[in-house]
Amino acid sequence: ELKVEQNPLFLSMQEGKNYTIYCNYSTTSDRLYWYRQDPGKSLESLFVLLSNGAVKQEGRLMASLDTKARLSTLHITAAVHDLSATYFCAVDTYSNSGYALNFGKGTSLLVTP
Amino acid sequence: DAGVTQSPTHLIKTRGQHVTLRCSPISGHKSVSWYQQVLGQGPQFIFQYYEKEERGRGNFPDRFSARQFPNYSSELNVNALLLGDSALYLCASSLTGQGLHEQFFGPGTRLTVL
Repeated sequence: ELKVEQNPLFLSMQEGKNYTIYCNYSTTSDRLYWYRQDPGKSLESLFVLLSNGAVKQEGRLMASLDTKARLSTLHITAAVHDLSATYFCAVDTYSNSGYALNFGKGTSLLVTP
Repeated sequence: DAGVTQSPTHLIKTRGQHVTLRCSPISGHKSVSWYQQVLGQGPQFIFQYYEKEERGRGNFPDRFSARQFPNYSSELNVNALLLGDSALYLCASSLTGQGLHEQFFGPGTRLTVL
């Protein structure tokens, strides 16, 4: 059974600080996705990482993928309040059960003044 | 261009009832997937449809069923509702059903079962 584990699950950080969210997964996959979800809202795609060593940056967020270690990181630089949300990583699998995204439990981020 | 649309946005049902949720994919997308997101958890895969055929099913009971229509829109049906079916139901569309293309999520339908 594929497992996607994120840590931490809850993160409270001060504005201006840096932090990293980790996503470990248990099966071979070359594609990993990061999503943001605001309370009561749907999923907003942040990054699609398609190969080993992929690094993508958008604003204060940077994501990377190490397929050999089955690890992705989402790094937050100089956090601001607007980044408060829940962040999910997801790994896609294709099997007899079809093509599916397998999500972690999410990291709930709160940025405080 | 319109994104993925879902209806209704909110729904309240009682235990034992039946519910139908609807999804229209992005124009040109032929694959629709359904996910259930219980409060505080990540989304869980329910179904994938591609070219009107079921291509994948997650670990959900037979009370859950779905179909895809010739215009590629989709319905998710849930019979004999239980309290535990209360969740945000997300629909996602992609160009094909083989994981080569990114899935784009709709706004979701919030189902409350009383």
